[in-house]
Amino acid sequence: DTGVSQDPRHKITKRGQNVTFRCDPISEHNRLYWYRQTLGQGPEFLTYFQNEAQLEKSRLLSDRFSAERPKGSFSTLEIQRTEQGDSAMYLCASSLRELSDTQYFGPGTRLTVL
Amino acid sequence: AQTVTQSQPEMSVQEAETVTLSCTYDTSESDYYLFWYKQPPSRQMILVIRQEAYKQQNATENRFSVNFQKAAKSFSLKISDSQLGDAAMYFCAYRSWMSGGTSYGKLTFGQGTILTVHP
Repeated sequence: DTGVSQDPRHKITKRGQNVTFRCDPISEHNRLYWYRQTLGQGPEFLTYFQNEAQLEKSRLLSDRFSAERPKGSFSTLEIQRTEQGDSAMYLCASSLRELSDTQYFGPGTRLTVL
Repeated sequence: AQTVTQSQPEMSVQEAETVTLSCTYDTSESDYYLFWYKQPPSRQMILVIRQEAYKQQNATENRFSVNFQKAAKSFSLKISDSQLGDAAMYFCAYRSWMSGGTSYGKLTFGQGTILTVHP
């Protein structure tokens, strides 16, 4: 079963460093979402791709954040000049429009900024 | 903008008994989807059940069922015959019907309810 995978699962970094996360969606899923989840809260939407096009970005996504999905398959989320407030779980989800568009989530990447 | 509210931060239930988790939402849209997701400790989020707003019949999935009250904007989850494996954080989520415009199918989540199951 090839579900949504994310790498790394955990990342500890120092404030001011850049980090990059990767998400591999379910094969053939054309939609990919990034969410951020802080401890004890529900996930919040960050950005969305349909194929390789980034169609929506949340206001939560400051200019230090950038996401790409270069070939419409895997996606990367980069955070530049990390701040302690960036510490959170970053979740990726994918869906296939033609199949009820249910979003399937990956295990997440937990980021800790020291 | 849509909002989702889960007013029960924590709930507990005895194994084999029934528990109901509450969710209310606010929207001006007439067509939408509602979901319950389960997030076990340190494990990924999985879909429990979904409800299309145009359907009057409440969705059921084995031991899980919902009580969807569209006029009241209420969407509760009932778990029957609770099992130890049901222990998790449960999230209610909303998605617009039209996956376009400013929505693109993004999910809006509530704050979550931690469910504890006692043996």
